[in-house]
Amino acid sequence: RKEVEQDPGPFNVPEGATVAFNCTYSNSASQSFFWYRQDCRKEPKLLMSVYSSGNEDGRFTAQLNRASQYISLLIRDSKLSDSATYLCVGISGSARQLTFGSGTQLTVLP
Amino acid sequence: TAGITQAPTSQILAAGRSMTLRCTQDMRHNAMYWYRQDLGLGLRLIHYSNTAGTTGKGEVPDGYSVSRANTDDFPLTLASAVPSQTSVYFCASSDTTKSPLHFGNGTRLTVT
Repeated sequence: RKEVEQDPGPFNVPEGATVAFNCTYSNSASQSFFWYRQDCRKEPKLLMSVYSSGNEDGRFTAQLNRASQYISLLIRDSKLSDSATYLCVGISGSARQLTFGSGTQLTVLP
Repeated sequence: TAGITQAPTSQILAAGRSMTLRCTQDMRHNAMYWYRQDLGLGLRLIHYSNTAGTTGKGEVPDGYSVSRANTDDFPLTLASAVPSQTSVYFCASSDTTKSPLHFGNGTRLTVT
């Protein structure tokens, strides 16, 4: 079983829709969680950190559920420019155990 | 502009040849990483370095070696390239092993 698992999608949603992704992790020692965005053939870029209390950045909301060992990303009012692959990662403090999910592909349709 | 730089951007390499992928960061980050990304497999960790002078093996280290002589540079060497090493390689750095990673632009390597 992979340490971090994501639904690969693809998620095809109309512009303006709300879409949510989940990411489950198996390493209970993971302390910090992040969502990254990756556009086709480019490097991953940090989207936002994920805190136990949940955090919001504009149209994006991230939450962490330690009991069930998953993190989520909610995108409201989807834009065409949100089309990308979204990667989650859990960090335990051990570089060896730093594992990214395989990514969830999102396409926002006009 | 501060950041992390990889070179070359792309390369075609004959099987059996050696090559070094370069990675330099100017953020004084302690930790550095090399990933390869293949379609359907996501990012896989090749080697990492928690701090200058130390390195460690990741998930897929075979056929690759690294060195960390100083804080800024973390080169990845393929001693004798094979076609299965055709991939996109990303170098990344982080302030600590608990901090988010910052990625370079990537090197697209094709081994023929």
